[in-house]
Amino acid sequence: TQLLEQSPQFLSIQEGENLTVYCNSSSVFSSLQWYRQEPGEGPVLLVTVVTGGEVKKLKRLTFQFGDARKDSSLHITAAQPGDTGLYLCAGVFGSNTGKLIFGQGTTLQVKP
Amino acid sequence: NAGVMQNPRHLVRRRGQEARLRCSPMKGHSHVYWYRQLPEEGLKFMVYLQKENIIDESGMPKERFSAEFPKEGPSILRIQQVVRGDSAAYFCASYTGNAGELFFGEGSRLTVL
Repeated sequence: TQLLEQSPQFLSIQEGENLTVYCNSSSVFSSLQWYRQEPGEGPVLLVTVVTGGEVKKLKRLTFQFGDARKDSSLHITAAQPGDTGLYLCAGVFGSNTGKLIFGQGTTLQVKP
Repeated sequence: NAGVMQNPRHLVRRRGQEARLRCSPMKGHSHVYWYRQLPEEGLKFMVYLQKENIIDESGMPKERFSAEFPKEGPSILRIQQVVRGDSAAYFCASYTGNAGELFFGEGSRLTVL
């Protein structure tokens, strides 16, 4: 059974601080996705990483895929209150790219 | 994700009743996935359907739960004889099937009293 361990589970920081969220597995992913979910809404895809060692940037968000494709990280620079939300990593193990294994999520609160 | 329509958004049922959750995928998408999100947990895969076919139901409980995606109309997730442990948010996601992006609906929140 593939499992994704996401950490930390909760994070409360002040506006302007940096933070990193981690996603780890003992299994190799075919690809990994990061989602953001607002209360009362469905997850929205932020990025997909496919290649080991890949780094993608989305404004102040930097996503990294581990060389062995077993781990990933999300780094947010100079967090803003608008970054507040639930961040989820989700891994694909195999060819069915819609069947995702989700981590438990990281609830981020950015205080002004 | 605005294109994936789920209804009802909120549903309250008493123990033993039936719950039917509907999902209309984005236009042009013929693949539908259902996920369940329990409080304080991540999303868990339940079932993957294409039009008129169940492709993978490995995440579905063996009893009381069923899903369909008919040739015409929305996909339906049906829960019979609901119990309190079925209280959760149920999300539908649609997909073109060509290694594209998965789009989630806003979810149906089931509360079992």
